[in-house]
Amino acid sequence: GDSVTQMEGPVTLSEEAFLTINCTYTATGYPSLFWYVQYPGEGLQLLLKATKADDKGSNKGFEATYRKETTSFHLEKGSVQVSDSAVYFCALSAFAGGTSYGKLTFGQGTILTVHP
Amino acid sequence: EAGVTQSPTHLIKTRGQQATLRCSPISGHTSVYWYQQALGLGLQFLLWYDEGEERNRGNFPPRFSGRQFPNYSSELNVNALELEDSALYLCASSLGTGSYEQYFGPGTRLTVT
Repeated sequence: GDSVTQMEGPVTLSEEAFLTINCTYTATGYPSLFWYVQYPGEGLQLLLKATKADDKGSNKGFEATYRKETTSFHLEKGSVQVSDSAVYFCALSAFAGGTSYGKLTFGQGTILTVHP
Repeated sequence: EAGVTQSPTHLIKTRGQQATLRCSPISGHTSVYWYQQALGLGLQFLLWYDEGEERNRGNFPPRFSGRQFPNYSSELNVNALELEDSALYLCASSLGTGSYEQYFGPGTRLTVT
């Protein structure tokens, strides 16, 4: 079945450091890929998405590129801020014959803590 | 534009009771999804409703059920509550079956004692 694997956390960085959170997936066909962020006590917010190979999603300084050859969708940010401290989830939405299964399959989440 | 709303925020029930959780999607969205976020188990897909019909179901027992109303709001029912049902239940909505993006509500924290 479909699965998403994220790098193990937690990740602790100093402000202005470079961030990479690795994400690889297994899916049949060509899934859509997403990064969601969850701040303490809140629901998930869509951070960025990519729907086909070589697409780059970007938002709020975060970027991720859909790499079909390596089945990866790594999240990067050039300079993190304290306000970026949150849990980050990589997810995929699978399709079969052009029809969506509807569900998102999530990675286990990566806790990011940024210190001043 | 109002986001996805869920009620109640917190719910405390006793083992064996029933719980009802509610969700209102973003205006114009016809699909509603339910997920369980249990401690240490990550996010698990529960149910997907679109245009009033159940479209897909995750690997959960039948005591987890729901429905979608004509106004596209949705209800999740959990019968015969067990201690391990304690979790954050998240609702999401999307424009429809052809839309990839799901937008989440703040969740309902269910505690079973």
